[in-house]
Amino acid sequence: DTGVSQDPRHKITKRGQNVTFRCDPISEHNRLYWYRQTLGQGPEFLTYFQNEAQLEKSRLLSDRFSAERPKGSFSTLEIQRTEQGDSAMYLCASSLGHTGEETQYFGPGTRLLVL
Amino acid sequence: GIQVEQSPPDLILQEGANSTLRCNFSDSVNNLQWFHQNPWGQLINLFYIPSGTKQNGRLSATTVATERYSLLYISSSQTTDSGVYFCAVRRYSSASKIIFGSGTRLSIRP
Repeated sequence: DTGVSQDPRHKITKRGQNVTFRCDPISEHNRLYWYRQTLGQGPEFLTYFQNEAQLEKSRLLSDRFSAERPKGSFSTLEIQRTEQGDSAMYLCASSLGHTGEETQYFGPGTRLLVL
Repeated sequence: GIQVEQSPPDLILQEGANSTLRCNFSDSVNNLQWFHQNPWGQLINLFYIPSGTKQNGRLSATTVATERYSLLYISSSQTTDSGVYFCAVRRYSSASKIIFGSGTRLSIRP
């Protein structure tokens, strides 16, 4: 069990460019979550997958954002036409959803800076 | 939606001191976790504690679900305890997301 991994760890891009982040959850976990954290705040929920199905999306997830989990394993989060307000830490978490005790385990995050 | 309030927002202590961090929430929950976010941004799981009391070394936590609050105790603080401590909860009616509080920033001075 190597934990949740995310790639890249840092991304600097220019406004208007597209970016894609990857998350690899803990291998046996069926639930995967994306959160966004801005400076001085707690993480905010973006979206949630159970296996390959995207079951919930936050109103924070504008139409420029899309997430996929094509085979129920790794997930990608794409931001199109990035804006300066998209600068944040993007966190991925996974959990084993069918047990009574559901602990979410977080990856190290991808820190995005939009210039 | 559910509100999660943490107090105090900031706490500065000398090494060796004890501290109590509080998390209040506005609705019934079926999931409550405490995390420590280190200076590199990694969220480290401390406790899964929707009710009851747990201890792990110098850290312990208590959640009183009927009164909608949780406490995190840190004894004999060390400089490595510095960082931001988050409480996160999930409502009974929700199957997914956890809602974070705004955190308590703890600074331990040598």
